[in-house]
Formats: sequence, structure tokens, C-alpha cells
Amino acid sequence: DAGVIQSPRHEVTEMGQEVTLRCKPISGHDYLFWYRQTMMRGLELLIYFNNNVPIDDSGMPEDRFSAKMPNASFSTLKIQPSEPRDSAVYFCASSPPRTGELFFGEGSRLTVL
Amino acid sequence: QKEVEQDPGPLSVPEGAIVSLNCTYSNSAFQYFMWYRQYSRKGPELLMYTYSSGNKEDGRFTAQVDKSSKYISLFIRDSQPSDSATYLCAMSAHNNNDMRFGAGTRLTVKP
Repeated sequence: DAGVIQSPRHEVTEMGQEVTLRCKPISGHDYLFWYRQTMMRGLELLIYFNNNVPIDDSGMPEDRFSAKMPNASFSTLKIQPSEPRDSAVYFCASSPPRTGELFFGEGSRLTVL
Repeated sequence: QKEVEQDPGPLSVPEGAIVSLNCTYSNSAFQYFMWYRQYSRKGPELLMYTYSSGNKEDGRFTAQVDKSSKYISLFIRDSQPSDSATYLCAMSAHNNNDMRFGAGTRLTVKP
């Protein structure tokens, strides 16, 4: 398996623009997580899905952030409008049933100017 | 107070040294404890997984959990330059769906 695949790897955009990050989880994994990592705050859980259903979005910082999982093999995290403080590395991770192991993608590094 | 506290370092040791990494936590409901290793510009990868209290050994790595003190440790014996990475502790109450991460400790092992 290719692992968790994220795109884009790098994104530089201007304040106010819409940003869409994409994730393809590992086949057969029923949990999908979106995390954000910054030097100041470390790794923060934004939202997670179980069987394509959002379970907990309490970590989503504001209404500017939204996430969807239309099917078992694809998820998006959208920021609209983006702000400089959204600059971070966004990780997607998936997990198989009944285990505690998260498999992370390589991350999407977002810079908002 | 953060739910999971971890000294961010940085920590620098010579090759062959024993490394001790630690985390403390405040939520007594945590019972799944993990250590993830993150190389520069990569995603974290699971290194060690422990349920409840006790020790677990895997090669040069040993994980310890002391639930009474709310304290977990990762020991690396005979450290190698390839161990240079950021080590993140993680823990949850219900397996994988509410995991909380420490800030990560950046380790450098010098040849």
C-alpha cells in the first residue's frame, strides 16, 4: 500500500484565498483524522471521521475551517478565507479498526502571506 | 495546564549514549500510551505502543508507563545518529479516537 497520500505538499497563498487540502487514507482504514502542527501549539487534532461520518470537530478553530469525507478513499480540509495565522503543516492520518496506531501522511505545508 | 506536558528540548547526546525522554499528563482516564518518531519534514510514525502501566521493550527502545504518577518514559539504548528526530508522546482514553500529543522533544545524536 502507498500509505496515506496528501496533496498538495506545499501551498503558498495570499490572505483571503480559499485553500483546499486533500487526503487519501489507507484502504481498509475506517478512521480518518486531520491534525495541524505548529511550533507554538504542537500537533492539534482538528476533526476525525469514522466510516466517513464526522465524529468530533471540536478542534476546528473557526467556521472558516470545514472538512468533508464524501467516501472511504477521500477527504478534504478547506479553509475559507485563509489568514496568516493558519500557516502550519496539516497532517492527515488514518487508522484501522480496533487498533491505536495512526498512520500519518507526509503533510501539507501551508503558508498564508 | 496542558493535558500532556513534554519538554521540547532540544536534546543533544553523543553516539552510544542512553537517552531518556519523558511526558507527564493530567487526565487519569488515559490508558493507551504511544511514542511517535518524526523525522524532519515527514509525518510521525508509531514507535512504541503500551496499554496501561508497565514496561515494553523493542530492540534498543523501552517504553515505561507509571499511571500512579501520570508519567511515561521512552529510553533509547546505544543511540545512533539515525535516531535523530523529534519524539512525540501520545495518549488516549479510548484507543485512537481521542489521542492527545505532547509537544515533541527534538533529539540529535552526534557521531
